[in-house]
Amino acid sequence: EVQLVESGGGLVQPGGSLRLSCAASGFTFSDYWMTWVRQAPGRGLEWVAKIKQDGSEKYYVDSVKGRFTISRDNAKNSLYLQMDSLRADDTALYYCARAQWQHLYDYWGQGTLVTVSS
Amino acid sequence: EIVMTQSPATLSVSPGERATLSCRASQSVNIYLAWYQQKPGQAPRLLIYAASTRATGIPARFSGSGSGTEFTLTISSLQSEDFAVYYCQQYHNWPPITFGGGTRVEIK
Repeated sequence: EVQLVESGGGLVQPGGSLRLSCAASGFTFSDYWMTWVRQAPGRGLEWVAKIKQDGSEKYYVDSVKGRFTISRDNAKNSLYLQMDSLRADDTALYYCARAQWQHLYDYWGQGTLVTVSS
Repeated sequence: EIVMTQSPATLSVSPGERATLSCRASQSVNIYLAWYQQKPGQAPRLLIYAASTRATGIPARFSGSGSGTEFTLTISSLQSEDFAVYYCQQYHNWPPITFGGGTRVEIK
């Protein structure tokens, strides 16, 4: 059974940092692109970042470029999102998702909540 | 960036009736369009990709159509478990991958 379990969310002050993790199981992690998608409270979905199977390609939405870094450790079946210089508008539930054929998100975790507030 | 616009924002439908949801792209996305369903407190679920192909395990009452800039998700006979929010997503021109704002399907 495919499982994705996010962790690392919490309350952080503006300008602070957090590192999100996503533990994957039930599939060959190194075979898939992986992505982070976020959802602000009561709002829609926003794609944040994606990473290629071997980590050689990474892409970001403009609003997080230079502040967030996506990475992965295939030996640990884990995906990460390092978030620096956090702002109030980064407050959201952050989902990791497996990308089938690079762009289609066929399995999602349950999300980890990031709240940026003083 | 391709902007995806969904309409209506909320659709009130009686169980057993047909629901038709629309998604418009600000420029052509060919058929690189997916639909997701999200129920309260749950992660999204992939329903449709390539505009009209059902994902694994998705019931036949869900169908997608369209190409270019205009797309439709049809639920032929709404079941109680279908009341949810539906999002379209384009993956033709990226980054960024973009989602529509969602259509909430509620019980009439």
